[in-house]
Amino acid sequence: DADVTQTPRNRITKTGKRIMLECSQTKGHDRMYWYRQDPGLGLRLIYYSFDVKDINKGEISDGYSVSRQAQAKFSLSLESAIPNQTALYFCATGRDGNYGYTFGSGTRLTVV
Amino acid sequence: GENVEQHPSTLSVQEGDSAVIKCTYSDSASNYFPWYKQELGKRPQLIIDIRSNVGEKKDQRIAVTLNKTAKHFSLHITETQPEDSAVYFCAVRYGQNFVFGPGTRLSVLP
Repeated sequence: DADVTQTPRNRITKTGKRIMLECSQTKGHDRMYWYRQDPGLGLRLIYYSFDVKDINKGEISDGYSVSRQAQAKFSLSLESAIPNQTALYFCATGRDGNYGYTFGSGTRLTVV
Repeated sequence: GENVEQHPSTLSVQEGDSAVIKCTYSDSASNYFPWYKQELGKRPQLIIDIRSNVGEKKDQRIAVTLNKTAKHFSLHITETQPEDSAVYFCAVRYGQNFVFGPGTRLSVLP
């Protein structure tokens, strides 16, 4: 089945370290997104991309960067991780028009 | 920008009873409203959606109603079962993206 895959599933890293979260999809969707989930705050948009040459900031992009290496791949980087970036991160894909997203399996990141 | 509120934040019902979760939004131009279910430790999954030209949509035990004038929409789950226990998120299409509600934790008690 077509799916959205995230790696790693869990990661513990130290403050100040650089870390990359990866997302790949076989849905064939043009649009890809990175969200952060914190308890009680729902899903907040970090970055999104509508195609390989398109990168856009979301509501909470500070401290993060992204790379759209191919239509099927979208990576999120934390250049210098800090403890308040401890959260559950989801990649999602979508397509133009009124359709919902397909979410990846999530990456639980802990910054100590 | 778009503001999405979701109530209640937690909801406990007895198995077999109905559950209703309501979301309100602020932008009258919004025209697409999906609902996601997130089971513990899993990814959010789309369970039902509604477009602004429709007032109600049903899929077996779940339904969504939309009141565009009042700018609110609701998820209805009938004959609840233990496997309905999860966090439910509403979302509102805003421009090219979505704004999500903060979620409702539904517990179905046996």
